[in-house]
Amino acid sequence: QSALTQPASVSGSPGQSITISCTGTSGDIGGYNSVSWYQQPPGKAPRLMIYDVSQRPSGVSNRFSASKSGNTASLTISGLQAEDEADYYCSSYTISSTWVFGGGTKLTVL
Amino acid sequence: EVQLVESGGGQVKPGGSLRLSCAASGFSFSRYSVAWVRQAPGKGLEWVSSISSSSDFIYYADSVKGRFSISRDSAKNSLHLQMNSLRAEDTAMYFCARHTPIGYCSGITCPFDSWGQGTLVTVSS
Repeated sequence: QSALTQPASVSGSPGQSITISCTGTSGDIGGYNSVSWYQQPPGKAPRLMIYDVSQRPSGVSNRFSASKSGNTASLTISGLQAEDEADYYCSSYTISSTWVFGGGTKLTVL
Repeated sequence: EVQLVESGGGQVKPGGSLRLSCAASGFSFSRYSVAWVRQAPGKGLEWVSSISSSSDFIYYADSVKGRFSISRDSAKNSLHLQMNSLRAEDTAMYFCARHTPIGYCSGITCPFDSWGQGTLVTVSS
């Protein structure tokens, strides 16, 4: 149950786009479409932003999009806003009937 | 409004035990799978355990298997985590989370759409 691999940090200026990658294995990301992304502001609980690889729950801005290719999933945030500054985590269901999270990526809006 | 409220955290010595609880409201608790997810101070999220709506399916992370036990009382809309043989590395904020059947998932294969605010567990001598 090794954690999925994410970059520790990314940054961008307001209005720009950023992409966060998330690499796993054929036993998790590569084998399932149960890939989700969570946003966690400092000191708060996580919030579901993407499920089933690329689907947005009701209420999530369409500036958030995501995809998957092989064992790697990606989250893109376009039109960066100051309120997007937070930690972002990817997650996948696994072949062992467990869930695994990425190590988290700190997004800084410059 | 969906609400999940954790309780039972605190400081405990290595080797000790603690029982966490999560009170659910605002939805039909008995129809949903639920889970515990933890976050060590300054670290990332780590899934701990999930239990299906009928308690037929229970799964644990390798890091807690044999030491932690998840259970639910649907009559009282509550989720529990019995933690035994606690170690320093179990120090974390423990979140209760709901698996929500959106998209093509079912049961514990579903993502976590609702989270509590967490209860802090500190294991230290």
